[in-house]
Amino acid sequence: GESVGLHLPTLSVQEGDNSIINCAYSNSASDYFIWYKQESGKGPQFIIDIRSNMDKRQGQRVTVLLNKTVKHLSLQIAATQPGDSAVYFCADSGGSNDYKLSFGAGTTVTVRA
Amino acid sequence: NAGVMQNPRHLVRRRGQEARLRCSPMKGHSHVYWYRQLPEEGLKFMVYLQKENIIDESGMPKERFSAEFPKEGPSILRIQQVVRGDSAAYFCASSGTPPETQYFGPGTRLLVL
Repeated sequence: GESVGLHLPTLSVQEGDNSIINCAYSNSASDYFIWYKQESGKGPQFIIDIRSNMDKRQGQRVTVLLNKTVKHLSLQIAATQPGDSAVYFCADSGGSNDYKLSFGAGTTVTVRA
Repeated sequence: NAGVMQNPRHLVRRRGQEARLRCSPMKGHSHVYWYRQLPEEGLKFMVYLQKENIIDESGMPKERFSAEFPKEGPSILRIQQVVRGDSAAYFCASSGTPPETQYFGPGTRLLVL
């Protein structure tokens, strides 16, 4: 069943500011978490992932934080740019079905110029 | 290194016809996944295949839907006798041995008239 959800469906952010997108999951067996970006008419694009043995991972302008105690995941985007406007999905997998990604409903990020 | 390829990108069918969706995984990947996305929603897992084997089809409707990944050629998702409720975006992803990152194709948007 559905194990992942996002706190807010939409986020409006000023260009140059930092963005934070939140996600909650319910499956205690989940041990792999991933963020995707989906632009209109396109497929999900991998951004960053993290495994349960870590609580923070950084990429280029992005940071993912994992709090296993409260089953919370967040994506931080530094210096948000117009090209960051998209729908962002978190997904998780784990346990015996470690191949089956469960997606949240998505957060639509709009960057204001 | 080409990414995941899907065709057709758009498919229009009348009720009762058959739809065939194709997916070629990334080079070196032998694990393929199909997901369905309804408007304003996240992706839902349908089926997981390896070469010539269906590993998990728990997310796929028991009737009218079938999937294959032959030894040679792309993976095929087949929907027989389509109904309007089948209208959705169908995405294919591929990976190395799970739990590896799944990379998505551009999707096939199916419209049933």
